[in-house]
Amino acid sequence: AQSVTQLDSQVPVFEEAPVELRCNYSSSVSVYLFWYVQYPNQGLQLLLKYLSGSTLVESINGFEAEFNKSQTSFHLRKPSVHISDTAEYFCAVSSAIQGAQKLVFGQGTRLTINP
Amino acid sequence: GAGVSQSPSNKVTEKGKDVELRCDPISGHTALYWYRQSLGQGLEFLIYFQGNSAPDKSGLPSDRFSAERTGGSVSTLTIQRTQQEDSAVYLCASSLDLRGMQFFGPGTRLTVL
Repeated sequence: AQSVTQLDSQVPVFEEAPVELRCNYSSSVSVYLFWYVQYPNQGLQLLLKYLSGSTLVESINGFEAEFNKSQTSFHLRKPSVHISDTAEYFCAVSSAIQGAQKLVFGQGTRLTINP
Repeated sequence: GAGVSQSPSNKVTEKGKDVELRCDPISGHTALYWYRQSLGQGLEFLIYFQGNSAPDKSGLPSDRFSAERTGGSVSTLTIQRTQQEDSAVYLCASSLDLRGMQFFGPGTRLTVL
């Protein structure tokens, strides 16, 4: 079984400041890792994913996350945030075993951007 | 439509009543998942369907919950004898197969009075 811990339930930052949202996971098998974003009054959208290969993955809107196997982490970072990044961010993990793709989510981190 | 659709968007019911929630996956997607999002429990997996294989029901919280998927497309999640703790947003997702990216619907907000 897998589990995910998002260490911060809320993160307030000023516009144009850098941000890091922390995510740690636990699993006895290889995993795939995901970050989903939920904007106010909208559904869940995939932000980025790690399946294999390069441990640094990037999204189209400037976010990046790095898979660190030794620290079992997949922290999300952005060097300069914008008001439009205000949302709730969910880290998720799934087993990489064939035929097992159900997602286990963290509790979410609410990112609030202040002008 | 192009995305996953769910109906109704909101459902208010009385304790003890049965409810049915519907999910229309993206056309051609063989895998379909149900999750729920509640204040106390966060986002939890409930059940998934993949093609004609037996569904994985390991996340269903009690035998009051059941789901079916007819013709490999539309799915219905049924909650019998609803309880107040069933109040949550029920999310449906679909993917091309079990290893594909999951696309989520807008959810059904269920309130049990």
